[in-house]
Amino acid sequence: QSALTQPPSASGSPGQSVTISCTGTNSDVGGYNSVSWYQRHPGKAPKLIIYEVTKRPSGVPDRFSGSKSGNTASLTVSGLQADDEADYFCSSDAGSKNLEVFGGGTKLTVL
Amino acid sequence: QITLKESGPTLVKPTQTLTLTCTFSGFSLSTSGVSVGWIRQPPGKALEWLALIYWDDDKRYSPSLKTRLAITKDTSKSQVVLTMTNMDPVDTATYYCAHRLLGHNFDYWGQGALVTVSS
Repeated sequence: QSALTQPPSASGSPGQSVTISCTGTNSDVGGYNSVSWYQRHPGKAPKLIIYEVTKRPSGVPDRFSGSKSGNTASLTVSGLQADDEADYFCSSDAGSKNLEVFGGGTKLTVL
Repeated sequence: QITLKESGPTLVKPTQTLTLTCTFSGFSLSTSGVSVGWIRQPPGKALEWLALIYWDDDKRYSPSLKTRLAITKDTSKSQVVLTMTNMDPVDTATYYCAHRLLGHNFDYWGQGALVTVSS
């Protein structure tokens, strides 16, 4: 069960856009349209912000968007706000045996 | 509103068995398609799925940890319990429980419980 690869950190100024990548393999990201992204503030429960690659749960601002190309999925946060400063991690379906694999997380800093 | 919360010891000794409880609300684990799973994240490392239990009591385990894990549910108490045997310092991690619907990824998570394995 291999982890998905994310950059450890990302940053941007208020109002800017930032994109976080999540790289897997043909057995997970590339093989399923089931990539999710989560936002985690310190001490808080992770919050689902993107599911099925591009979909947003109700209540999640459209500043958050997802995409996928081959074995790499991406999360873009547009119009950065101070409250976007958090840890973001991805997950992907990985088949019936390994169920779901995750990334290590990317710490987003709003400068 | 779906919520989940993990509880259990913060410190266990090597070779001991860890027992964690996930208490949830806002859904029933007897509803078709519903499952609850456990995921952990060691410091500085990626999250790792551990185990999952379905509404019909079907269970799934991470192949790499299968021999050490057991997951059970108590629907009447809205709880899911994970046991992990033979704990080692490398098992030090934040342990999460999360809700999952059939055909989808984990959606609602607890805030996590840090478990340290040390003598």
